[in-house]
Amino acid sequence: NAGVTQTPKFRILKIGQSMTLQCTQDMNHNYMYWYRQDPGMGLKLIYYSVGAGITDKGEVPNGYNVSRSTTEDFPLRLELAAPSQTSVYFCASRLTTGGGDGYTFGSGTRLTVV
Amino acid sequence: GQQVMQIPQYQHVQEGEDFTTYCNSSTTLSNIQWYKQRPGGHPVFLIQLVKSGEVKKQKRLTFQFGEAKKNSSLHITATQTTDVGTYFCAGRNRDDKIIFGKGTRLHILP
Repeated sequence: NAGVTQTPKFRILKIGQSMTLQCTQDMNHNYMYWYRQDPGMGLKLIYYSVGAGITDKGEVPNGYNVSRSTTEDFPLRLELAAPSQTSVYFCASRLTTGGGDGYTFGSGTRLTVV
Repeated sequence: GQQVMQIPQYQHVQEGEDFTTYCNSSTTLSNIQWYKQRPGGHPVFLIQLVKSGEVKKQKRLTFQFGEAKKNSSLHITATQTTDVGTYFCAGRNRDDKIIFGKGTRLHILP
């Protein structure tokens, strides 16, 4: 199994540009998440989804949008990129919330906004 | 809002020494998970603790969950260079929200 696949791995954006970070999982997990990690910091939740067609805001949703049209895919959209969005973005998935399974993280997308 | 504090932020140890990182929550947790992130990598799930006072071991790693389910620790015995990385705790609160600590970055001196 590939697990959680994120593309692209690296991207440089100019201020005001838009882009979509792709995330796909092949484990049939219901729950999917987007986190950002700033240098030397922990993980901050941007958006999450408990299943296809259902999304909800996390701790830092401003400047981002998501959709969940299928169980497998959970893309993150950045509109009007700003330098404050320079970060490493991790997508994660999980089968349930109450079981002993943890998050499976993708390898991340390193985004620089200049 | 609820916080999960992790200490220390950084730790340098000689190879072979022990290492401990602590995680403290302002409220009672339903469970707590631990993750390891290698430099330049992504977080990898290590373990989940659920019961009050629970202790679990994975080779040289020992995980504990406090009696009040507000704190947890990860102890590594006789560190090796492969232990380098950042260790995160993630606590689930009663509202089913998961809060990550900021992590403890472990450096191993040869």
